[in-house]
Amino acid sequence: DAKTTQPTSMDCAEGRAANLPCNHSTISGNEYVYWYRQIHSQGPQYIIHGLKNNETNEMASLIITEDRKSSTLILPHATLRDTAVYYCIVRVAQNYGQNFVFGPGTRLSVLP
Amino acid sequence: DAGVIQSPRHEVTEMGQEVTLRCKPISGHNSLFWYRQTMMRGLELLIYFNNNVPIDDSGMPEDRFSAKMPNASFSTLKIQPSEPRDSAVYFCASRFTGGENGYTFGSGTRLTVV
Repeated sequence: DAKTTQPTSMDCAEGRAANLPCNHSTISGNEYVYWYRQIHSQGPQYIIHGLKNNETNEMASLIITEDRKSSTLILPHATLRDTAVYYCIVRVAQNYGQNFVFGPGTRLSVLP
Repeated sequence: DAGVIQSPRHEVTEMGQEVTLRCKPISGHNSLFWYRQTMMRGLELLIYFNNNVPIDDSGMPEDRFSAKMPNASFSTLKIQPSEPRDSAVYFCASRFTGGENGYTFGSGTRLTVV
């Protein structure tokens, strides 16, 4: 699976958009980009995933560059409850022999 | 859907005792994963099963750790004997490998070995 690089930490003002970047320059053509987050003392929570096209759901938007070497997770209106560690993972979706490898992620602090 | 269910939520035990952690995956999911999380090492995969068969247990720290999945709806992670360095939060996750969807994690078991 391709490795990812994320900033260690970020701050965001409450009510503003939080833009979390992820670099995955060695991503393969069949690898998806997945985002998870982990709020303190809870299990990681799935947010969104995508292959090539930008994706949006009720939680966030995922913007993937045309060359697929980087992506940005966007929380459009961050709240205090979005304070968490955000993990970007790339892997083949239907790969029975591999698992999700969680790096250190980005610690997002939403400030009042 | 009740999600992935883990028990107990908290466990405090004395060094040398046997500890058993339990997990019920989401119905229909055919892969199950055990992770351990500590401040020092982050989230580490211990073992995962596909269709109840262990696929990769290379993350299991040592022989004191064992995991079983007797059927599609239940798995256990056992530590015998437990040591203080085993103190961590243990997460179970499941997914259906036939699709794009990611993992669903349980709420974890916080283990403290004194």
